[in-house]
Amino acid sequence: AQSVTQLGSHVSVSEGALVLLRCNYSSSVPPYLFWYVQYPNQGLQLLLKYTSAATLVKGINDFEAEFKKSETSFHLTKPSAHMSDAAEYFCAVSVNTGGFKTIFGAGTRLFVKA
Amino acid sequence: DGGITQSPKYLFRKEGQNVTLSCEQNLNHDAMYWYRQDPGQGLRLIYYSQIVNDFQKGDIAEGYSVSREKKESFPLTVTSAQKNPTAFYLCASSMLVAVNNEQFFGPGTRLTVL
Repeated sequence: AQSVTQLGSHVSVSEGALVLLRCNYSSSVPPYLFWYVQYPNQGLQLLLKYTSAATLVKGINDFEAEFKKSETSFHLTKPSAHMSDAAEYFCAVSVNTGGFKTIFGAGTRLFVKA
Repeated sequence: DGGITQSPKYLFRKEGQNVTLSCEQNLNHDAMYWYRQDPGQGLRLIYYSQIVNDFQKGDIAEGYSVSREKKESFPLTVTSAQKNPTAFYLCASSMLVAVNNEQFFGPGTRLTVL
């Protein structure tokens, strides 16, 4: 069965600093991996997705993530944090087991300090 | 403008009442999902549907019911059997093709039991 672990329920960075949000997955078959962002009292929006084409995936707002099979990781990074990046971020894994099922991580709340 | 709408945004329920949350999509997606979100627990799947007139239980279906009479609509009823219904409810939809299994989310409904 697949699972997703997001390391750190809260991450705090200064404006302009590197953002690193960690995600590790477990899957017995090749996974599809996603990062979503959620602003307060809103739904989730897709940031980026890995679908086996390229291991380094670029998303919106300068976010990117690298799929590392050997480490079963899909960490999200952004070179320079902006105040508007403060939100909750969810990593998700989806596998085809006769039908797609998506499992979401518990989420990481990002705080950006001025 | 294509997307998913949920209504109402906020809903208050007295104990013992059934309430129905609306979810409509005009993305022509086959699959639709209902999630419950509680602080620190990520998203938990309640029900999902891949085709009209068919749906499957997710991980926490007890106390909830759904219908899928039209492709565009997937209402969720929170019954009086759900003992702790206060939560944020998210509806999502997706295509069923592998690389496009990203889910599109509505803005959510916050349900509070008085």
